[in-house]
Amino acid sequence: EIVLTQSPATLSLSPGERATLSCRASQSVSSYLAWYQQKPGQAPSLLIYDASNRATGIPARFSGSGSGTDFTLTISSLEPEDFAVYYCQQRYNWPVTFGGGTKVEIK
Amino acid sequence: EVQLVESGGGLVQPGRSLRLSCSVTGFTFGDYAMSWVRQAPGKGLEWVGFITSKAYGGTTEYAASVKGRLTISRDDSKSIAYLQMNSLKIEDTAVYYCTREGAGPGTYYNWYWGQGTLVSVSS
Repeated sequence: EIVLTQSPATLSLSPGERATLSCRASQSVSSYLAWYQQKPGQAPSLLIYDASNRATGIPARFSGSGSGTDFTLTISSLEPEDFAVYYCQQRYNWPVTFGGGTKVEIK
Repeated sequence: EVQLVESGGGLVQPGRSLRLSCSVTGFTFGDYAMSWVRQAPGKGLEWVGFITSKAYGGTTEYAASVKGRLTISRDDSKSIAYLQMNSLKIEDTAVYYCTREGAGPGTYYNWYWGQGTLVSVSS
């Protein structure tokens, strides 16, 4: 099973600041990596797929990068609605696995 | 508009069974793979399992933690996906989300999600 390790666990930032979230895989997942956002009391939603492609309707301030074992989700300038928990997920092989999540909170 | 609506959750005793349903609208159900993801209270996301479309054999995959106890199936004529849960354990307590995947290999991500249904396993 591929283990995904997300860091940091919590990121405390102010609106307008840049957020950089990391996801590291225990073995290569090529570019088969996604990022999901989950707001309190809501279902998760897909942000980024294939490591760097934004899903439909996702603002350009969200960007993903990386391949192999190291991936980054960047939010260029935090909006109030971006404070949430973010999960990475690998789809390289079975079983599908998620990282433990990074909570982006208001400082 | 794509919509997925889960039902069938509730309180159940350990060792008993429960069947969750996921009714969908807004797309041709039979063309897409479907999956289930769960989230224990206050915890992160855990992938449960997956079923391809009939075009790819209706093949299933499961997490090790549920294999042999939870079974995913689909009824394309009704546009419903099911999660049959047998021999339930306390650690199966979670919100269960139904998700729509892509149509084929290379597109398998959780593109759309339902709002979830809570399963509580307790004596």
